[in-house]
Amino acid sequence: KQEVTQIPAALSVPEGENLVLNCSFTDSAIYNLQWFRQDPGKGLTSLLLIQSSQREQTSGRLNASLDKSSGRSTLYIAASQPGDSATYLCAVQGFQKLVFGTGTRLLVSP
Amino acid sequence: EAGVAQSPRYKIIEKRQSVAFWCNPISGHATLYWYQQILGQGPKLLIQFQNNGVVDDSQLPKDRFSAERLKGVDSTLKIQPAKLEDSAVYLCASSFRPDYADTQYFGPGTRLTVL
Repeated sequence: KQEVTQIPAALSVPEGENLVLNCSFTDSAIYNLQWFRQDPGKGLTSLLLIQSSQREQTSGRLNASLDKSSGRSTLYIAASQPGDSATYLCAVQGFQKLVFGTGTRLLVSP
Repeated sequence: EAGVAQSPRYKIIEKRQSVAFWCNPISGHATLYWYQQILGQGPKLLIQFQNNGVVDDSQLPKDRFSAERLKGVDSTLKIQPAKLEDSAVYLCASSFRPDYADTQYFGPGTRLTVL
């Protein structure tokens, strides 16, 4: 059974800092890994999707890496802004099911 | 393009009562998902539909939860009777294809509180 863990559970940083969120998973037989953002009272927004054959994906200030063999992914956020404050969820896609981690709650203070 | 719509956004009920949630997926999306997200946890898949057929309902508590997708478009998730542990956000998502390569688009969710 796939298990996804995210560390840290919460993170508070001042504006402008670069930061890294971590995700680990127990079963390396995955098709892809996604990073989502969840704002209070809103649904999930997909930020980046990395196929199992890829090593990383970039979108603006976000960069996600995937090391399938070690069961790890990181989300790097450059020059953080208060608008980045949200919960970030990692999810791995197995044969049929998308399995989510518990998320990292990020607060970026001005 | 309109996103996934859900209603109601909030619902408060007493235990043993019944409740129903509605979801309208993105137009043209054949696959529809219902997730349960308990506070402090990630979303957990309850049921997946492909058109109006069930693909996966292995984590749906079938003694109290039911779901249907009429005509392969809108979907309704029902809980009867509700328990305290059903308090959660219920998220609906849809995708164009059912396979692993397609992105799921999520609605805003329905926050259920069971007292």
